[in-house]
Amino acid sequence: AQRVTQPEKLLSVFKGAPVELKCNYSYSGSPELFWYVQYSRQRLQLLLRHISRESIKGFTADLNKGETSFHLKKPFAQEEDSAMYYCALPNQAGTALIFGKGTTLSVSS
Amino acid sequence: AAGVIQSPRHLIKEKRETATLKCYPIPRHDTVYWYQQGPGQDPQFLISFYEKMQSDKGSIPDRFSAQQFSDYHSELNMSSLELGDSALYFCASHQAGSYEQYFGPGTRLTVT
Repeated sequence: AQRVTQPEKLLSVFKGAPVELKCNYSYSGSPELFWYVQYSRQRLQLLLRHISRESIKGFTADLNKGETSFHLKKPFAQEEDSAMYYCALPNQAGTALIFGKGTTLSVSS
Repeated sequence: AAGVIQSPRHLIKEKRETATLKCYPIPRHDTVYWYQQGPGQDPQFLISFYEKMQSDKGSIPDRFSAQQFSDYHSELNMSSLELGDSALYFCASHQAGSYEQYFGPGTRLTVT
């Protein structure tokens, strides 16, 4: 069954420190993976999708099929990065997204 | 660019009352999804519609129903509300050919 695991509930770092939010998945076949960000209980916003291989707000994520991971990274965290981050992938039928439990990133000065 | 619109933003109801939440997808998006996010929880998929037909059903209680109309907007009808229904309800839409979903701002439902 498809599953998304985000092992860290909270990640607290100082401004300027590197950040890595972990995401592991289980999926039969080749998944399409996403990172969504949610600021202060606002709407979920798409941050990254692995197929586009882009960098948004300094964040990058690489799909590692061998390790079934899609970790989100940023070399220098900013206070405005503080938010809840969700890793997600489609269900097998492609009819819904399955979200991980989310990781709260807290960046302080 | 137009985004997903949800109405109302906030709703307060009492137990056993009914509520209707509305979602207006991005123009030309033919698929609508409903998610429920409880306090401190990840979003849970409730139900989805493609071209006005239900395409998938998740953890939606029998007390809830939904439909998608000819203009592609969707409504989530909730009856016999319970305290545990208090949550943020998100609608998302996407266009066929992509898994990428765009979320609305959510409706915060509080049941007292």
